[in-house]
Amino acid sequence: AQRVTQPEKLLSVFKGAPVELKCNYSYSGSPELFWYVQYSRQRLQLLLRHISRESIKGFTADLNKGETSFHLKKPFAQEEDSAMYYCALKGNTPLVFGKGTRLSVIA
Amino acid sequence: ETGVTQSPTHLIKTRGQQVTLRCSSQSGHNTVSWYQQALGQGPQFIFQYYREEENGRGNFPPRFSGLQFPNYSSELNVNALELDDSALYLCASSRDRPNSGNTIYFGEGSWLTVV
Repeated sequence: AQRVTQPEKLLSVFKGAPVELKCNYSYSGSPELFWYVQYSRQRLQLLLRHISRESIKGFTADLNKGETSFHLKKPFAQEEDSAMYYCALKGNTPLVFGKGTRLSVIA
Repeated sequence: ETGVTQSPTHLIKTRGQQVTLRCSSQSGHNTVSWYQQALGQGPQFIFQYYREEENGRGNFPPRFSGLQFPNYSSELNVNALELDDSALYLCASSRDRPNSGNTIYFGEGSWLTVV
């Protein structure tokens, strides 16, 4: 079975502080992992995917197969990062999403 | 702008009624998926269509059905509505065939309230 766990419903950080949004997955094969973001009053959009190994808006995420994790990180949070973040896995079915973490960046 | 538009944006239905939600994708987006997002939850996969045929289905009962048309539009139909069907329904589309690695683009969703 494919499963994605985001243990934190809400994460509050101060502007300029480091951010880490946790994501753990369960899948027996080789997964594709994604982070999606939903800003206020906007549609769900792709933030980054593990196969690209890129940094988007200062965010990075590394797939750790040993720990089955795909945590999202940013060294210095900005107020505009406040949004809902969803980790998603694509195995042998279309995307399986976690329940999401709301990131609130406090000025 | 992702080119995925959904209608209606909001609607209210009574338990037992039927509803049809619509999605229009970009030209060339042959794969369309539908997701249900209940309040406080992540999106859950309902089913996927590729070139007008169902190509995968999540854990949803048969009263959830769909259609995909040659003009890159699609529908989600739900019969015998239940209170728990109240949710945001998301349409997502991508180019080419499923699992091709192409980016999936989401619409803004249709909010369904069942009373």
